[in-house]
Amino acid sequence: NAGVTQTPKFQVLKTGQSMTLQCAQDMNHNSMYWYRQDPGMGLRLIYYSASEGTTDKGEVPNGYNVSRLNKREFSLRLESAAPSQTSVYFCASSEARRTSSYEQYFGPGTRLTVT
Amino acid sequence: AQSVSQHNHHVILSEAASLELGCNYSYGGTVNLFWYVQYPGQHLQLLLKYFSGDPLVKGIKGFEAEFIKSKFSFNLRKPSVQWSDTAEYFCAVIYTGGFKTIFGAGTRLFVKA
Repeated sequence: NAGVTQTPKFQVLKTGQSMTLQCAQDMNHNSMYWYRQDPGMGLRLIYYSASEGTTDKGEVPNGYNVSRLNKREFSLRLESAAPSQTSVYFCASSEARRTSSYEQYFGPGTRLTVT
Repeated sequence: AQSVSQHNHHVILSEAASLELGCNYSYGGTVNLFWYVQYPGQHLQLLLKYFSGDPLVKGIKGFEAEFIKSKFSFNLRKPSVQWSDTAEYFCAVIYTGGFKTIFGAGTRLFVKA
């Protein structure tokens, strides 16, 4: 099992450009998440998908959109990148059931720089 | 609002020193609690978790944490740290029935050899 995979690993964008970050998991998890990690701020939830076909805003959704393409894949789109979106982005997945204790499994991250 | 507080942002220890990292969460009902670790250049991985039962939880690499319900705390401990424990540690909570895990700001631990 590959677990959670993310592409790309690194990306540099100019202000105003758009891009999509891809995430896939092979653990048959129902729930998937997108976080951004900034120094001193921990992980902040951007969007999540509790189950296939549903998506919900997290703590910092502005400037982002998501698509839960199927049970395996959950993509994050920046429509018009801004320097404030320079960050490391992590995708995660979870069973999100009490019997699994809600443990999350993380991908390797995408380091995005917006100039 | 639901939140998680980690008391120390940076900790520097010498090898063999004891470690305790503080974590408090805001009241919100029944919780599952986690400590995740991020080694330099790597992604987050689970160190240990409290689900139910014994409030003293043992994790990987000699780490343990104690859930004290009356204090809303879940402090991480290790009796003797090693250089390889240099990493960032995140406390996290999920309120039962919810889908969102709330993370603390993280504590960067540097262990001097």
